[in-house]
Amino acid sequence: QKEVEQNSGPLSVPEGAIASLNCTYSDRGSQSFFWYRQYSGKSPELIMSIYSNGDKEDGRFTAQLNKASQYVSLLIRDSQPSDSATYLCALLRRALTFGSGTRLQVQP
Amino acid sequence: EAGVTQFPSHSVIEKGQTVTLRCDPISGHDNLYWYRRVMGKEIKFLLHFVKESKQDESGMPNNRFLAERTGGTYSTLKVQPAELEDSGVYFCASSQVSRNTIYFGEGSWLTVV
Repeated sequence: QKEVEQNSGPLSVPEGAIASLNCTYSDRGSQSFFWYRQYSGKSPELIMSIYSNGDKEDGRFTAQLNKASQYVSLLIRDSQPSDSATYLCALLRRALTFGSGTRLQVQP
Repeated sequence: EAGVTQFPSHSVIEKGQTVTLRCDPISGHDNLYWYRRVMGKEIKFLLHFVKESKQDESGMPNNRFLAERTGGTYSTLKVQPAELEDSGVYFCASSQVSRNTIYFGEGSWLTVV
């Protein structure tokens, strides 16, 4: 079992819709979770971090964490074509452990 | 403020040759990490420096890989001799001590032929 699991996609949504990206993890002791966005050929860029159960909102982005279900999600409201990228879920123990990423395509 | 910079951005070498990748972290960041993404796989941790000390090198695949961070500033990752399976993108990242925000460089793309 992978430590961090993500659906590779692609997830295709129309412009203006809500994109929902999901991630599960295996280590119950994990406390810190991150969402990175990576455009093709570019560096991973941190967009959200979450440490407590519940929701955390930042602009059009909402991260959700459910430690009991070992589940992290990222919602992107009012999706834009510029949001098209690969979204990487990661948890931090001694170092970041990444999922394989979900490719999001926002259709104009 | 400059971000994490890596050099070279792309490298093509023959099997058996040596390649040295360089990373300059963000100024003042004592934590420096190396990660690697090989084709079709997730980004994997290689090792972690705190200043010039190796804090964790549990992700280094074998003794063909040597990382250094003399003086606690920039770091190098040497692959010697390179094998075909070493092809991938090597990311460097840095952060301040006790901070969870880790910044990544754009990666060094290595192709071994």
